[in-house]
Amino acid sequence: DAGVIQSPRHEVTEMGQEVTLRCKPISGHNSLFWYRQTMMRGLELLIYFNNNVPIDDSGMPEDRFSAKMPNASFSTLKIQPSEPRDSAVYFCASSYRGGATYNEQFFGPGTRLTVL
Amino acid sequence: GDSVTQMEGPVTLSEEAFLTINCTYTATGYPSLFWYVQYPGEGLQLLLKATKADDKGSNKGFEATYRKETTSFHLEKGSVQVSDSAVYFCALSAQGAQKLVFGQGTRLTINP
Repeated sequence: DAGVIQSPRHEVTEMGQEVTLRCKPISGHNSLFWYRQTMMRGLELLIYFNNNVPIDDSGMPEDRFSAKMPNASFSTLKIQPSEPRDSAVYFCASSYRGGATYNEQFFGPGTRLTVL
Repeated sequence: GDSVTQMEGPVTLSEEAFLTINCTYTATGYPSLFWYVQYPGEGLQLLLKATKADDKGSNKGFEATYRKETTSFHLEKGSVQVSDSAVYFCALSAQGAQKLVFGQGTRLTINP
């Protein structure tokens, strides 16, 4: 299995531009998570989906951020308009949510976003 | 709310030294506890886990025991290697929940 795939790996953009981050979860997984990692705030959960439905978006910073999961094999995180304080590494993770009390989350390699 | 507190880094050790990274948590009920590791330029990987009190998780020579009485899940390794240099995250998921709550991470550097 290729694991969780994220693209692009690096993104440099200017303030005010729209940014779209992409994620392909592991085949067969039915839960998908978006995290943001910064030096100041550490690793934060932004939003997660079960069976393509958003379950908890309480970590999404503000309306400039939106996430979609149109099908089981693809998700996007969009920032519009972007600001310098959005600079961070964004991780996507997926897991299989079944009958067990815990299901390991598998992380992608991350997208390093720099907003100038 | 639920939270995880790790010992502050960075931690620098010599090869073959004994490692302890402290982790304590605050949560109601019986959360599951985890240690994740992040190597440079990569995403996080699950290192070990424990899902109930007194469980010991172990992997690659690392161990951690779920201590309900002290709300702790300290990571230990008897003899570290240069290849163990990474950032280590302690995390919990509340009972029945999917969300992971992470500590701030501890950067570990092992010198030959």
